[in-house]
Amino acid sequence: GAGVSQTPSNKVTEKGKYVELRCDPISGHTALYWYRQSLGQGPEFLIYFQGTGAADDSGLPNDRFFAVRPEGSVSTLKIQRTERGDSAVYLCASSVSGSMNEQFFGPGTRLTVL
Amino acid sequence: KQEVTQIPAALSVPEGENLVLNCSFTDSAIYNLQWFRQDPGKGLTSLLLIQSSQREQTSGRLNASLDKSSGRSTLYIAASQPGDSATYLCAVEPSGSARQLTFGSGTQLTVLP
Repeated sequence: GAGVSQTPSNKVTEKGKYVELRCDPISGHTALYWYRQSLGQGPEFLIYFQGTGAADDSGLPNDRFFAVRPEGSVSTLKIQRTERGDSAVYLCASSVSGSMNEQFFGPGTRLTVL
Repeated sequence: KQEVTQIPAALSVPEGENLVLNCSFTDSAIYNLQWFRQDPGKGLTSLLLIQSSQREQTSGRLNASLDKSSGRSTLYIAASQPGDSATYLCAVEPSGSARQLTFGSGTQLTVLP
């Protein structure tokens, strides 16, 4: 596709459940980023992949959050034992390579934990 | 730790006005600064990217400037239109090994017809 795509667009789950959020980056982009955006705030960094490896996961809030990118393209953000505080919009971005390149964002997944 | 501040948080102007949005950052060690637009319930659309060695970038009615030493950037919008109504976010990419963007909280712009 032409841009970054994310699925699902909306996800409603119950406290304690497990969720997976998917990101398809722009074809050929080696760098992929996950951010989280709370209402009225700017996005906050979660994790950055260069190829298949997580180059920087310093933004993950705790060990309930995990992300993979097994083939260097599609990435999945996984959240275990969801809490109400995890409710936010999860944004994915990709760039040609990691440094000094414009990041292109997907439409986001709105996660609501009841 | 890098902090990015955007002032004002909200702005309402009549159609046709020229306006300036402000962004400041605390650590001048950056590779670049990006301005984004976000419509309600949507993702981010990149507007302009300024490399640290550049002073400004222009795209249509938009002009962004960067003064790295003072930690400031401005986004100038000429002849504003109702379709410009959105939240505008600035973000900086740090120099060094980190690659993630640090964002401000945005300026919510309303252009009244």
